Amino acid sequence: NAGVTQTPKFQVLKTGQSMTLQCAQDMNHNSMYWYRQDPGMGLRLIYYSASEGTTDKGEVPNGYNVSRLNKREFSLRLESAAPSQTSVYFCASSGSAAVRQPQHFGDGTRLSIL
Amino acid sequence: AQSVAQPEDQVNVAEGNPLTVKCTYSVSGNPYLFWYVQYPNRGLQFLLKYITGDNLVKGSYGFEAEFNKSQTSFHLKKPSALVSDSALYFCAVSALGANTGKLIFGQGTTLQVKP
Repeated sequence: NAGVTQTPKFQVLKTGQSMTLQCAQDMNHNSMYWYRQDPGMGLRLIYYSASEGTTDKGEVPNGYNVSRLNKREFSLRLESAAPSQTSVYFCASSGSAAVRQPQHFGDGTRLSIL
Repeated sequence: AQSVAQPEDQVNVAEGNPLTVKCTYSVSGNPYLFWYVQYPNRGLQFLLKYITGDNLVKGSYGFEAEFNKSQTSFHLKKPSALVSDSALYFCAVSALGANTGKLIFGQGTTLQVKP
């Protein structure tokens, strides 16, 4: 009963380093999302994939790239990490892009950039 | 532009008392409205949603929410709070017909239930 699995759970990077956050879901969902959560700001959408083979920018896409590797997996890449990208990152999935489908969230990746 | 406001950073209630967590929204067209809960070091969990129909929506763990179109509000309620309800609560909105699944989240309200 895994749901949405994110790896790693914690990561510390130096400014300028790159890394990829991994996300996989086992619910056969079509749509997947990446959010960042910062204190007092709720969740902000970085990128989303309405269906396999498509990706689109969300509210705060600058400094990030994504890949929808297949129906199960949706990765988020930081090419050159900056301290402003210190945050908790959540991946989510939903059955379809229709907004009536609730999103299911992973437990997050806590990323610190020094 | 769509937006969601949760006017209270924190709500404190005593166990057994009713609780209300407030949410107001701004959206073009008819809204889809959601409530999620987040426990420490966990992802968000879906509580309930309003799409259309009855203005009182019932959800998980005894929570309910009342949709009020004239006041553009979607307040979360529970008749009798439990200590285990203490968590961070998020209201979210998306516009009807927007087939992207994109949600706009409020900033969150911390609910503290004291024994």
